[in-house]
Amino acid sequence: AQSVSQHNHHVILSEAASLELGCNYSYGGTVNLFWYVQYPGQHLQLLLKYFSGDPLVKGIKGFEAEFIKSKFSFNLRKPSVQWSDTAEYFCAVNAAGTYKYIFGTGTRLKVLA
Amino acid sequence: NAGVTQTPKFQVLKTGQSMTLQCAQDMNHEYMSWYRQDPGMGLRLIHYSVGAGITDQGEVPNGYNVSRSTTEDFPLRLLSAAPSQTSVYFCASSYSRPTGGNEQFFGPGTRLTVL
Repeated sequence: AQSVSQHNHHVILSEAASLELGCNYSYGGTVNLFWYVQYPGQHLQLLLKYFSGDPLVKGIKGFEAEFIKSKFSFNLRKPSVQWSDTAEYFCAVNAAGTYKYIFGTGTRLKVLA
Repeated sequence: NAGVTQTPKFQVLKTGQSMTLQCAQDMNHEYMSWYRQDPGMGLRLIHYSVGAGITDQGEVPNGYNVSRSTTEDFPLRLLSAAPSQTSVYFCASSYSRPTGGNEQFFGPGTRLTVL
């Protein structure tokens, strides 16, 4: 069965620090990969996605993620975080050809001003 | 476009009561789904639909029923609420199957408490 692991459950950073959130999945076939963000009191929004092509994908608000197939990973990065990045971040995997998304358990990021 | 809308925003039920969470989208999306979000467990898929008249079970379907009579609406029914169903429920939709990188658009959520 597919699964998604987000190893960092809580992350606290100061503004301007660099961010990397880990996401690993277990599935041997072709996958589509997503990062969603949930700001306090808001619903989930798409940050970025990968389904083919360049494994380094760029999203909104300066976020990027790299798909490393050999490591089954899709880590999220941002060079310099801002206070407004405080949110919960979810990695999601969809096995190509299926209708089901599997979400990770989420990482709560707090950025200190 | 209103996007994905959900009603109610908050609901308190007593054990054994029934209710329907409403979800509607105005983007003509084929695919709709229901998730529950619990602390430390992320989002878990309850049921999904790939078009009017077609539904299927997700990861945690027990205690929930769905139907899809129109493209726009995808209600979630709790027939006999239990405290274990206390959660935040999100409805989502996408243009087609999530393959090919079609993102899901999420509603604002319904916070349900079962006493």
